[in-house]
This record gives sequence, C-alpha cells and structure tokens, in this order.
Amino acid sequence: NAGVTQTPKFQVLKTGQSMTLQCAQDMNHNSMYWYRQDPGMGLRLIYYSASEGTTDKGEVPNGYNVSRLNKREFSLRLESAAPSQTSVYFCASTPGGVVYEQYFGPGTRLTVT
Amino acid sequence: AQRVTQPEKLLSVFKGAPVELKCNYSYSGSPELFWYVQYSRQRLQLLLRHISRESIKGFTADLNKGETSFHLKKPFAQEEDSAMYYCALSGPRGTYKYIFGTGTRLKVLA
Repeated sequence: NAGVTQTPKFQVLKTGQSMTLQCAQDMNHNSMYWYRQDPGMGLRLIYYSASEGTTDKGEVPNGYNVSRLNKREFSLRLESAAPSQTSVYFCASTPGGVVYEQYFGPGTRLTVT
Repeated sequence: AQRVTQPEKLLSVFKGAPVELKCNYSYSGSPELFWYVQYSRQRLQLLLRHISRESIKGFTADLNKGETSFHLKKPFAQEEDSAMYYCALSGPRGTYKYIFGTGTRLKVLA
C-alpha cells in the first residue's frame, strides 16, 4: 500500500496563477483533510471531507476550493495564487471519526512569487 | 474554544538527558489527544495517543485533566529523537476536526 500520496512535490507559481494539488489514499479511508504548515503556526486545517460527497471548511479556507472526487481522491485548488499561500501543504486521511490517527502524505512545497 | 498550546518553539537537550515537551489544551468534554512527530524530510506520523496508553520509542504521555495537559516525556534523549513534535486534539465527536499545536522542535545535542 502506498498510503497517502500527493502530487506534485514542489511547485512554483506566479501571483494570480491557478493550480490543483492532488491527494489520493489507498486505505479505504472515509475522511480526508488538507492542512498547510507554516513556521511558527503549526498545521492549520484548510478543508476536510468527513465522507465521500461532503466537504467542510476548516480554519483557513479563504483562497482555496476542494473536490472530493471519489472515496480515494481529494484535491485542493488555488484559483488565484497569492504570496501568502506560500507554504507546505499536507493531505491526511483517517478511517472516519476523530478517535483515529491521521495518516499523512509527504507534502507539497508551494512557492508563490 | 478548543485550543492546543505548545509553549516552546525549540527545546535543546543533551544526549542522555530527560526530555519533556509541553502540551496544554482547552476543551470541554473528554478529549482525544495525540502526539505526532515529523523527522527531517519525512511526513508526519503518529507517535502516540492517550487512549492506547502505550510507550513508543521510549516516549510516554499522561493525560492530566486537572491541569489540562498532555506532556510528552522521555527519560533519556537520543540523537535520533531530534525532530518536530506536534500535539493534537480531536473532536468534538461528529465534527471530524483535529486541532494541532504550533509544534516544538527538539534538538538533541551530542
């Protein structure tokens, strides 16, 4: 099992450009999450999907959109990138329910110039 | 509001010394608490959770509801323990949300 995979690993965008970060899991998990990791700020939840067909905002959703394409895939879209979105983005999944640990992807390092 | 506080951004200790990484939380109800670790250039992974009450890599953490703390401890630090450590809180049940602290970087010096 690959676990949680993310593409791309690195990306450089210019202000105003758009892109989609891809995340997939092969563990048959119900819930999936997108976080951003910034120095001194820890991990902040952007969006999550409790189950296939549902998505909800987290702590910092502005400037992002998500799609739960199917049970395996959960993508994060930046419609018009801004320098403030320079960060490391992590996708995570859990079987479902908050008693479970989260399984993380390797991260995507995004720089917006 | 639910909150996780890790007061130390950086903690440096010498090899063989005891380690305590602090975590305090704010939560009404019975919390589910976790410690995650991120080694250099690796993904975050679960270190331990309070519900299982097990020791991983020599680390333990006890939930103290009176002090609302979940400090991570290890009696003798090893160089390979150098990493970023995050305390996390989940719940309330039905929300599917997790809240992470800001993290503490542990450096174990030779």
